[in-house]
Amino acid sequence: QVQLVESGGGLVKPGGSLRLSCAASGFTFSDYYMSWIRQAPGKGLEWVSYISSSSSYTNYADSVKGRFTISRDNAKNSLYLQMNSLRAEDTAVYYCARVTAVAGTWAFDYWGQGTLVTVSS
Amino acid sequence: EIVLTQSPGTLSLSPGERATLSCRASQSVSSSYLAWYQQKPGQAPRLLIYGASSRATGIPDRFSGSGSGTDFTLTISRLEPEDFAVYYCQQYGSSPLFGGGTKVEIK
Repeated sequence: QVQLVESGGGLVKPGGSLRLSCAASGFTFSDYYMSWIRQAPGKGLEWVSYISSSSSYTNYADSVKGRFTISRDNAKNSLYLQMNSLRAEDTAVYYCARVTAVAGTWAFDYWGQGTLVTVSS
Repeated sequence: EIVLTQSPGTLSLSPGERATLSCRASQSVSSSYLAWYQQKPGQAPRLLIYGASSRATGIPDRFSGSGSGTDFTLTISRLEPEDFAVYYCQQYGSSPLFGGGTKVEIK
């Protein structure tokens, strides 16, 4: 069965950095686009970034562009999010999600349980 | 930039009733790239519908999606106790984008 397990969240001061990881299992990781999506406390979902299956293409939300970097290691079945210059408004649960492989559509068909990032002094 | 507006913000219904949730886009979007998710408290979202009307794996047939252009609808034909949750629509244009959500609560 598909499993996505995030790790690396925690408390960090404004301006600090954090690296999130997502360990994937139960599917051929290298065949799928992957994404990070976040949810601030009590708020809705906000897409953060996605990466193509071979890492050749990445895309970022304007709110994180230039500060966050998505990457993946297909040999390790792992997805990463390097977060720099963190701000209070980056406080959220960060979800790792798989992009469906159904041709001609786009949806996030499997999600991890999330990891909480808190940016506070 | 496309904006997705979900309405109503909160829907108060009883088990067994029909729920109709709306997702309106500020400009036309491809129905192929319109999805719906369910999120329960403390849980990750779950994909319900993709391509505006296709049910994801394991989703009961009481959930259905419809619409095109700027107006999309998620319908739950008869609410079960486990269906009370928050529902989000999502589209993909140049980037993925989520609507603000509709909470379906027990009346």
